[in-house]
Amino acid sequence: DTGVSQDPRHKITKRGQNVTFRCDPISEHNRLYWYRQTLGQGPEFLTYFQNEAQLEKSRLLSDRFSAERPKGSFSTLEIQRTEQGDSAMYLCASNPASGNYNEQFFGPGTRLTVL
Amino acid sequence: AQSVTQLDSQVPVFEEAPVELRCNYSSSVSVYLFWYVQYPNQGLQLLLKYLSGSTLVKGINGFEAEFNKSQTSFHLRKPSVHISDTAEYFCAVYSNYQLIWGAGTKLIIKP
Repeated sequence: DTGVSQDPRHKITKRGQNVTFRCDPISEHNRLYWYRQTLGQGPEFLTYFQNEAQLEKSRLLSDRFSAERPKGSFSTLEIQRTEQGDSAMYLCASNPASGNYNEQFFGPGTRLTVL
Repeated sequence: AQSVTQLDSQVPVFEEAPVELRCNYSSSVSVYLFWYVQYPNQGLQLLLKYLSGSTLVKGINGFEAEFNKSQTSFHLRKPSVHISDTAEYFCAVYSNYQLIWGAGTKLIIKP
């Protein structure tokens, strides 16, 4: 399978702990996106990378959130000092920088539950 | 800023009946529109997209959508639904490298 993969698929943590999620995009996709989806809502944009450069961050991304894509391939999203309000599905997507660049390909998501 | 409104949070429909899921977007000079489907416990899968050209767009699984610029709508239709179409459907508009999403419509198929 050469689609977008995310790890882990589920994460349960206690309030105040740090968590890190990983996303592996489709190979050769320059652009990588993180979204957050809460129950009953559509996804909300968090941040976007082109290669290793983080080009845009939503104001939803508080200082407890940090994302990296050090080599322009996989990306990590870390949440520090988790809060119950962080419970959500975290979605990763990717697409190439050219061609049908506006179609995004999504991974299965990481479901975070903060107790 | 762009926004997307999905007018129905749930749409119940009998199997083999037609269905329309409604989507309205805020006006923009140029607009790229998408419908994605999310099956239970799965990621988002592209159903169809409108980038330019013909206003009637055909997608996978027998779905189609019509872009209506004057009404700023992009409604999704299927002439005959199947139980396997049970899912949540999201309309989205492309804006500045990100997708802006509606809140989703759950399609409930009644046997």
